[in-house]
Amino acid sequence: LAKTTQPISMDSYEGQEVNITCSHNNIATNDYITWYQQFPSQGPRFIIQGYKTKVTNEVASLFIPADRKSSTLSLPRVSLSDTAVYYCLVGENTGRRALTFGSGTRLQVQP
Amino acid sequence: DTEVTQTPKHLVMGMTNKKSLKCEQHMGHRAMYWYKQKAKKPPELMFVYSYEKLSINESVPSRFSPECPNSSLLNLHLHALQPEDSALYLCASSRDPFPGMQETQYFGPGTRLLVL
Repeated sequence: LAKTTQPISMDSYEGQEVNITCSHNNIATNDYITWYQQFPSQGPRFIIQGYKTKVTNEVASLFIPADRKSSTLSLPRVSLSDTAVYYCLVGENTGRRALTFGSGTRLQVQP
Repeated sequence: DTEVTQTPKHLVMGMTNKKSLKCEQHMGHRAMYWYKQKAKKPPELMFVYSYEKLSINESVPSRFSPECPNSSLLNLHLHALQPEDSALYLCASSRDPFPGMQETQYFGPGTRLLVL
């Protein structure tokens, strides 16, 4: 199974840009990359998804280099409410890998 | 309506009890999932239902018994659980069984289960 590696934790301050990188060296041709956010005692919430280059939505940006062996979730100008665990998932639409959560990155935003 | 609801929010049960967790969605999704999440750990996939049929069982002990009565409902029947089964149980749904590009899973808020 394609394995993802993320930093265990990150700290930031309000108003800063936060970049969380996920390593997925064994990514397959048909795999896409999905990021979820989870607050304590809540279910994960979809943030962004991409296959290559750059994807942006109203919440975040996702940067994927040409070799696709890593991806970076970028959160602009974080606030206290962005304190959460962020998970990177890698998989394709015919297998269970897209349903496998890695260890995630615990982001703590300070005032 | 993009909501997945789960009941109850909290459940305390003894090791000899039988209880059920309920999950409901009205988004027309044809895939539903049960995950188990221990404290400070990622969610772990337990079961996948595809078009109301069980398609994946991640070697879950038989004391957990899933049921999908219709396309909107998913139950998890619990019997003779152990204290180590205490966790947050999350339900999710998606339009297709294995979410592809431009598709995601929608998660419910979870049921916090404590087994005494």
